[in-house]
Amino acid sequence: SQKIEQNSEALNIQEGKTATLTCNYTNYSPAYLQWYRQDPGRGPVFLLLIRENEKEKRKERLKVTFDTTLKQSLFHITASQPADSATYLCALGPPGGYQKVTFGIGTKLQVIP
Amino acid sequence: GAVVSQHPSRVICKSGTSVKIECRSLDFQATTMFWYRQFPKKSLMLMATSNEGSKATYEQGVEKDKFLINHASLTLSTLTVTSAHPEDSSFYICSARLSATSNEKLFFGSGTQLSVL
Repeated sequence: SQKIEQNSEALNIQEGKTATLTCNYTNYSPAYLQWYRQDPGRGPVFLLLIRENEKEKRKERLKVTFDTTLKQSLFHITASQPADSATYLCALGPPGGYQKVTFGIGTKLQVIP
Repeated sequence: GAVVSQHPSRVICKSGTSVKIECRSLDFQATTMFWYRQFPKKSLMLMATSNEGSKATYEQGVEKDKFLINHASLTLSTLTVTSAHPEDSSFYICSARLSATSNEKLFFGSGTQLSVL
């Protein structure tokens, strides 16, 4: 069965360092992969989308890579700030625009001042 | 960016009562909206896809008579939890897609924490 794995353990890093979060998947051939941020008691907020034919995407301090051979995406936050503390979800979208997006469990990031 | 407003943010009700949750797209028309539930430290689970002017499509295992969805306009979808019981306590979230043809970009409401006593 399809499976999305994110490290459900919290990731603690020092302010100013680069945070790297991992999203692995199995039994899946996504057309695209999304990353969302979710704060406690709030809905997710869309951050970035990367397609299967793209290796890397950047947006300000965020960088996403997508390796379809390894079936893995890495999400980086450079120069991390305490305000970046949140849970980050990856989501996979299958081919065909109408197909439903499947979410991972998320990784909780804590940036320590 | 597109804004989705969800209401109420928190509701506490007695067992056996019904609760309605509203999801509105404020600055765009959403022909399709999605309803999810999320348990603590668990992933978002899609419950149903709400289509304007037609019946909702429910995911396997979700009782359509229990979770009534109405999408009467291009900007409003409602989820009614009927005869709520403590096991229905959860965080419910709606989302809408900006594109009429793709789920590539989803905008989420702020969620509703339902507690059934």
